[in-house]
This record gives sequence, C-alpha cells and structure tokens, in this order.
Amino acid sequence: EAQVTQNPRYLITVTGKKLTVTCSQNMNHEYMSWYRQDPGLGLRQIYYSMNVEVTDKGDVPEGYKVSRKEKRNFPLILESPSPNQTSLYFCASSTLKRTGVYGYTFGSGTRLTVV
Amino acid sequence: GENVEQHPSTLSVQEGDSAVIKCTYSDSASNYFPWYKQELGKGPQLIIDIRSNVGEKKDQRIAVTLNKTAKHFSLHITETQPEDSAVYFCAASLYSSASKIIFGSGTRLSIRP
Repeated sequence: EAQVTQNPRYLITVTGKKLTVTCSQNMNHEYMSWYRQDPGLGLRQIYYSMNVEVTDKGDVPEGYKVSRKEKRNFPLILESPSPNQTSLYFCASSTLKRTGVYGYTFGSGTRLTVV
Repeated sequence: GENVEQHPSTLSVQEGDSAVIKCTYSDSASNYFPWYKQELGKGPQLIIDIRSNVGEKKDQRIAVTLNKTAKHFSLHITETQPEDSAVYFCAASLYSSASKIIFGSGTRLSIRP
C-alpha cells in the first residue's frame, strides 16, 4: 500500500530534550515536506526537500532541522524543543512530474507535546 | 508571497443539503488549487483539484469552481452525508512548484442528521 509513515504518533517530552520524528514514504517520491498544524492557522510548512541532499526552509523553520540522506526518509529533528513547538506535525510527499506537481500524500500525523 | 483566506471556519448543514466553502488567494501567478479533507485522527487527503485553465471541475457530489479574475475558488458538496463531516483545507500554488503550496486555515464541516 502506498503510504507515508510517521513515527511516533504521540510524543510527550520535556523542554530541551532532543527528539526526532521519522517520516518514510514507499512511493519513490522526489518531494517531501514537513508541516505543523495549529488551531486557526491551518498547515504551515516547516522544511521541504526536492530530492536527496536538497532541502530548504519553509515558512516556519526556526527550531527545526531536517536531513534527506535517502529518497524514502525525511526525519524532522528538534534539537532543543520548547513549549511553543507543541503541535500536530505532518509529513507529506509528492511526485514531481515534468508537467508539474501531482498532489500531496500526507502521513497520519505526530502529536507532540513539550512540557 | 501567497496568502490564502478560507471561510467559514465552521459550517453546520443538515444532511442532504449542500455545503459551500470559499477561499481567496492573493498571488495572481498561482495556477493550481487543491482541496484536502482531514478526518479525525488522520492526515489530510486530496479530494479534488483544479488548474487555472478551467473554471469548474466535478467529481460525483464534489465540485470546485474558480474565478481567476476575482481570485477566489470554492468547494461545493451536494447531498451531504454524515461521512462528509471533516475539516477541509483549500490551497494555492504554482503547479510547477511543489514547494510553494500555501494552505488556508481550514473549515470544520459538521453534518446534522
């Protein structure tokens, strides 16, 4: 089954403790992206990657890091989490055809609470 | 940069009635407008999209209309059913640029039995 898999689904952590949220897709998509979802603000892009070793900042990158060493994986790293990073996080992937973007496939989300 | 506004934030309709969600965008260069449905506990799922070279697209009970001049687009759901209850997001981007997709703030649609 074609899917984007995020882990963990739920995470409670303390301020300053480094954490990684993993994302993996099995569709051979070139493009992957991380979003955070907060009430009333919709989905805001954190980072994205157009292909292996190619990453760039989205609209809200502060406090986050990413890497794209393999095509299928795109982990999100919070080096020193703070309470304002409490949110629902989504990973998404998409194929980049010559004619343009096909559409995103989203993971099921990771609900992060930083206390 | 692009800005997408979505209204209303919540919408309650009687089962069987129609629901309309409206979005406006600011960047006249945007030419791709997808709609996503997010059910409780799940990630958003693409339900329909439209490119700027067409004014309307339909898929069974769902339709999207686009007014390029006014820079607004709408989602229409007819004969609503309980399973239509969800949060709906509109988005706008350049079709050739996956990195520039901007989402609206979402509409929580509730279907009353």
